[in-house]
Amino acid sequence: SAVISQKPSRDICQRGTSLTIQCQVDSQVTMMFWYRQQPGQSLTLIATANQGSEATYESGFVIDKFPISRPNLTFSTLTVSNMSPEDSSIYLCSVEDTSGGGDTQYFGPGTRLTVL
Amino acid sequence: AQSVAQPEDQVNVAEGNPLTVKCTYSVSGNPYLFWYVQYPNRGLQFLLKYITGDNLVKGSYGFEAEFNKSQTSFHLKKPSALVSDSALYFCAVRRGYSTLTFGKGTMLLVSP
Repeated sequence: SAVISQKPSRDICQRGTSLTIQCQVDSQVTMMFWYRQQPGQSLTLIATANQGSEATYESGFVIDKFPISRPNLTFSTLTVSNMSPEDSSIYLCSVEDTSGGGDTQYFGPGTRLTVL
Repeated sequence: AQSVAQPEDQVNVAEGNPLTVKCTYSVSGNPYLFWYVQYPNRGLQFLLKYITGDNLVKGSYGFEAEFNKSQTSFHLKKPSALVSDSALYFCAVRRGYSTLTFGKGTMLLVSP
């Protein structure tokens, strides 16, 4: 399976600022995903990011708040803009491995964000 | 629409005993079913999946899961629990190329 790294692993930010989270994969992948896991909650998909096209956002998430870049097949960034305490969550990127069928998603270690 | 239910917030089991973490799903058509585990301060790790074929699938760390179409269930099992199995477990479902939908998670606590 792909090896996925995220930076930063954690951060504490002030209200009104923005944070960019990086996701790096050790192999080329077509589809990358960004998820949010709020405290004590399950995972919620923010958007799907394909290289060379605009990200596709899920209901309740907008590009102005969560801009995403996907400049190549091994890298993506998610920016959390104009942060508020409600944005305190773990943000995870994942990639889809289509080998072997079934399109399994593998996840990075996550970025733990606290907004004060 | 697709959905996953994990009816138990927490499962407690003694080390050495068998464990079961329950999952039921709702999806039109044939489901792809997954189990993931999340250890404290870590990302999600893939455990196993069911796509087609044998209803009993085996995965990492001695875990297995049984797909039951009539009961729309995909319960996670292990014959003998370890203290190190204590973690948060997520069941997930998708249909074809749809997005992955996760259950709310079940905390497994294995006591020595």
